[in-house]
Amino acid sequence: SQQGEEDPQALSIQEGENATMNCSYKTSINNLQWYRQNSGRGLVHLILIRSNEREKHSGRLRVTLDTSKKSSSLLITASRAADTASYFCATDEYSGNTPLVFGKGTRLSVIA
Amino acid sequence: ETGVTQSPTHLIKTRGQQVTLRCSSQSGHNTVSWYQQALGQGPQFIFQYYREEENGRGNFPPRFSGLQFPNYSSELNVNALELDDSALYLCASSLREGLGETQYFGPGTRLLVL
Repeated sequence: SQQGEEDPQALSIQEGENATMNCSYKTSINNLQWYRQNSGRGLVHLILIRSNEREKHSGRLRVTLDTSKKSSSLLITASRAADTASYFCATDEYSGNTPLVFGKGTRLSVIA
Repeated sequence: ETGVTQSPTHLIKTRGQQVTLRCSSQSGHNTVSWYQQALGQGPQFIFQYYREEENGRGNFPPRFSGLQFPNYSSELNVNALELDDSALYLCASSLREGLGETQYFGPGTRLLVL
C-alpha cells in the first residue's frame, strides 16, 4: 500500500518558474524524504525533514512539513530543464522500524 | 550518482523461470534494501539485509529471496517468475540499519517477463 500521495500527478512549467509539489500521508511519521528519479533510472535523495521540523532548505529546494495536516510540499525555485524528472515523497511510520513507503510521484517537465 | 551498482541493466525472462539480480553497495554502507518499481508507481519495499541477515520484509511472497555477502554486496532471487514481476528492481544501500534511513539507490535492473 502507498502511504504518500503526491499532487499533482504531472506538472509542466517554463524554465525559470517555480515548481511546487505536494505530498499527503496517512499515519504519524518519523521523517519525510523527497527523492528525484530521471526517466526510469535510480532515485536520488534530495532532502529529509524530521517530524519536529517545519521547514528545510537545500539550495533551490524548500520543503515544508505540516504534521497536523499530514502533508508536505517541495518547492523548486528558478527551475531548469535539468530539473525535469519524477519526484517522490517517502515516509516511515512513527510506530517503529518500518520501511520507507513511497507515493506514486509527480512528473515535472521544465520547458526551455 | 551514488556508488551503488547493479547488474544486469536489462533482462528478459519467460514465465516460470528464475532470475538473480546483483548489487554492490556504496562504500562504507553495510545495509542493503531492494525495491520493486512497476511502471507509473513508486518503489515498493521488498526486504532489507543488515550484516547478512534479513532485517525487514515487505508484502512480497517467499519466491522473492535474497542474500547479503560479507563484503555487503547483495543478490535478489525471484523464482517461478510471473508476468506481474515485470518491473524496475532497485537496490539501495544505507549508512545505518533501520528501514527508514536515507536510501542511496543504484540505477536499477529492468526485468521483463514474457
